[in-house]
Amino acid sequence: DTGVSQDPRHKITKRGQNVTFRCDPISEHNRLYWYRQTLGQGPEFLTYFQNEAQLEKSRLLSDRFSAERPKGSFSTLEIQRTEQGDSAMYLCASSPRDRGNTIYFGEGSWLTVV
Amino acid sequence: AQSVTQLGSHVSVSEGALVLLRCNYSSSVPPYLFWYVQYPNQGLQLLLKYTTGATLVKGINGFEAEFKKSETSFHLTKPSAHMSDAAEYFCAVSPLTGGGNKLTFGTGTQLKVEL
Repeated sequence: DTGVSQDPRHKITKRGQNVTFRCDPISEHNRLYWYRQTLGQGPEFLTYFQNEAQLEKSRLLSDRFSAERPKGSFSTLEIQRTEQGDSAMYLCASSPRDRGNTIYFGEGSWLTVV
Repeated sequence: AQSVTQLGSHVSVSEGALVLLRCNYSSSVPPYLFWYVQYPNQGLQLLLKYTTGATLVKGINGFEAEFKKSETSFHLTKPSAHMSDAAEYFCAVSPLTGGGNKLTFGTGTQLKVEL
């Protein structure tokens, strides 16, 4: 049973560049979530998908951020025109649909914008 | 809206001592409750969760938590701390209805275990 997989694990980029992160959820999970975590803080919800449908987006997800899950399997999170404030760990997670089910997290993708 | 408060951003205990990490939630309806642990540069791992039934929940690594509705609390305990317990611990809630199992996290408590 493989867990949630994220790639790349670390990314250093120059301000203004675009970056994309990929997440492969646990295969039988139809819900997929993106969170952002900065140092000393708890994860903050960004968005989630049920199958290929993006059902909720946080106000944190500015116009520069876009997430997709085209076939209801893997997902990508793209950040355009990166800013230093985007430096954070981006966590992907997945869960079955049922209420109260555990959300399983990946190892995260660290982004540093210089 | 739901929120989570974790009292004490840093807790230090001696090896073998009791661990108590506090979590209070704010919600119009008692939500589902979770504790996650995060080791440095890693993702989050579920320790335990409360959904329904018995209010004392046992989790992995000897941790347990008790849901107290009257106190809107879900404190995490372990009778005897081990060096390997040093990590950051997050309390989280998700709604009973709506929101797609989305988690709202507290700000975390960094646990230090000393010899």
